[in-house]
Amino acid sequence: DTGVSQNPRHKITKRGQNVTFRCDPISEHNRLYWYRQTLGQGPEFLTYFQNEAQLEKSRLLSDRFSAERPKGSFSTLEIQRTEQGDSAMYLCASSRGTRGGTEAFFGQGTRLTVV
Amino acid sequence: GENVEQHPSTLSVQEGDSAVIKCTYSDSASNYFPWYKQELGKRPQLIIDIRSNVGEKKDQRIAVTLNKTAKHFSLHITETQPEDSAVYFCAASSSRSNTGKLIFGQGTTLQVKP
Repeated sequence: DTGVSQNPRHKITKRGQNVTFRCDPISEHNRLYWYRQTLGQGPEFLTYFQNEAQLEKSRLLSDRFSAERPKGSFSTLEIQRTEQGDSAMYLCASSRGTRGGTEAFFGQGTRLTVV
Repeated sequence: GENVEQHPSTLSVQEGDSAVIKCTYSDSASNYFPWYKQELGKRPQLIIDIRSNVGEKKDQRIAVTLNKTAKHFSLHITETQPEDSAVYFCAASSSRSNTGKLIFGQGTTLQVKP
């Protein structure tokens, strides 16, 4: 499968624990996005990387959230001190381009449940 | 701020009928409008997109129309089939940020009854 890959697919964690998710984008894509989707809602933008540079972060991304994309390849999203409100599907997407909107390809997501 | 409103939230049609989903956007600098289909437990997949320099685009049974003046765009599915049943999301991307980030609508659950 040469599409966007996310791991793990599911994660159950206790409140207060830290979790890390990984996204492997399509190899030639320079753009990488993280979105969060809760039940019955559309995906909400969290953060954007162009190559290895994190160029935009949403106000939704509290200081408990951090994302990296070392070497401009895979990306990780870490949530520290998880809260029940963090329970959601975390989607990664990648695309090509440097200006404006272009077709974004989504991964299957990591479903996080905080108990 | 940036906002995309989508209607209706649910839509039920008979197989063979047409379905129309409508979205409005708030940012006048929006210039790229994709539509995604998401089946239960699966990733969102792009089905059609349109740019602001075009008023209409068609791909087989799917078409999208854009009215920049009114800031709304619509998805039209003709001759619906049961496999069209899914959640559909509209989205908009603005030229202001140049990141290509998407602002999504709330989604429409389409049910096509055989």
